[in-house]
Amino acid sequence: QKEVEQNSGPLSVPEGAIASLNCTYSDRGSQSFFWYRQYSGKSPELIMSIYSNGDKEDGRFTAQLNKASQYVSLLIRDSQPSDSATYLCAVYSGNFNKFYFGSGTKLNVKP
Amino acid sequence: DTAVSQTPKYLVTQMGNDKSIKCEQNLGHDTMYWYKQDSKKFLKIMFSYNNKELIINETVPNRFSPKSPDKAHLNLHINSLELGDSAVYFCASSQDGSWGRGDTQYFGPGTRLTVL
Repeated sequence: QKEVEQNSGPLSVPEGAIASLNCTYSDRGSQSFFWYRQYSGKSPELIMSIYSNGDKEDGRFTAQLNKASQYVSLLIRDSQPSDSATYLCAVYSGNFNKFYFGSGTKLNVKP
Repeated sequence: DTAVSQTPKYLVTQMGNDKSIKCEQNLGHDTMYWYKQDSKKFLKIMFSYNNKELIINETVPNRFSPKSPDKAHLNLHINSLELGDSAVYFCASSQDGSWGRGDTQYFGPGTRLTVL
C-alpha cells in the first residue's frame, strides 16, 4: 500500500462545475496535509494546506480533512479551464519525519 | 528574479556517465530538497538539507551525492548514470523544514534528465 493514494484520473468536469479531488493516506499519525497543483511541464505549486479536521476555504478552493477516515479532499468551485492540471496530495508524518506525495489526479475542465 | 533556479533544464547523456545538476535559491531559506518525479508523475523526496547539513536521506543509491556549499545552494551529482535514472529532478526550498507547522516548499523549474 502506498503512503498516499490518489485516483489518477483524468477527472473531467464542465466549466463552472465543482471539481472534487480525493486523497487517502496510510499513516494515522500524519499531521500536515497539502495540495499542490502542477501544470504540464511545470513545477508543483502549493495551493492549500490543512492541519486540523474540517474544512478550510481559500477563494474557490476548499480543503477537507477527516483524520478518522484518513482522507483529505480538495473542492474547486466554479472550475475554470485554467484549473486543468495535475493535483498532487502531500502528507507529512511527524512520527517518521517523512513527507509523501501521491501520484496526482489529472483534472480537465472543459469549456 | 527566480526564487529557486536549477541548471540545466534539460540533460541528455549516455549510460555510465557522471553528471551534476545545480540548484540555487534566493529566498533566504534554511532548508533545501531534491525530489525525483518519474514518468508516472510520482514525486519522491531524495534528500533534504538544513543549513548545509543533511537531515533526510531516503533510500537512494549511493551513486547520488548531494552537496551543499552554503545554505543557498544544493547540487546533485550522479555517478554511473543508469536508464532508470531518467526522470525530472526538482529542487525545492522552504524556510526551516518544519512541515508540521506550515513550512511551505517552493519548487524550482525542474531538470529533465534522459539517460540513453
